[in-house]
Amino acid sequence: KNQVEQSPQSLIILEGKNCTLQCNYTVSPFSNLRWYKQDTGRGPVSLTIMTFSENTKSNGRYTATLDADTKQSSLHITASQLSDSASYICVVSAANFGNEKLTFGTGTRLTIIP
Amino acid sequence: EAGVVQSPRYKIIEKKQPVAFWCNPISGHNTLYWYRQNLGQGPELLIRYENEEAVDDSQLPKDRFSAERLKGVDSTLKIQPAELGDSAVYLCASSPQGGANTEAFFGQGTRLTVV
Repeated sequence: KNQVEQSPQSLIILEGKNCTLQCNYTVSPFSNLRWYKQDTGRGPVSLTIMTFSENTKSNGRYTATLDADTKQSSLHITASQLSDSASYICVVSAANFGNEKLTFGTGTRLTIIP
Repeated sequence: EAGVVQSPRYKIIEKKQPVAFWCNPISGHNTLYWYRQNLGQGPELLIRYENEEAVDDSQLPKDRFSAERLKGVDSTLKIQPAELGDSAVYLCASSPQGGANTEAFFGQGTRLTVV
């Protein structure tokens, strides 16, 4: 069964500090891994999409890494801002003959405090 | 460019009543998804459309849930009759095509409360 596990479940950090969120997955056949940011009461918004051959991808202060061998990914947030408070969801895609199935993690709830 | 539009934003109904949600995807997006998200959980796929064809409805509880996407544009998701356990956020998403590595854009969701 395809699974995506995220840690920690929740995290509180001071504004300006860095943090790293973790994602482990067992999804086959692997197609890509995505990180989404979901503000309270809003739909998820894509931050990064990484395929098998990509080890790292950045989007502003967000940097995602992917180790396809160990089936792990991380999302690093640099110089956190209050607006970074949200849930961060790791999503792994399995694809067969062009048909894609997304498996969502339960998310990490990040709170930035001033 | 307008994003994925969903309505209503919130809905409170009594159990056993019917309810419907509406989604207008981004113009030109062929693929449309309906997801259900329970509190503190990630979204779970209910149904995926490629144009007007439902290509993956394996997770849709067909005894009470139905969906349609007439003309391959906007879509409605219906629950009849609703149960207490249906309380959740129902998210609609769309993408230009359903192939791998294609980004999906989500609407704000409809928060359903069944009392």
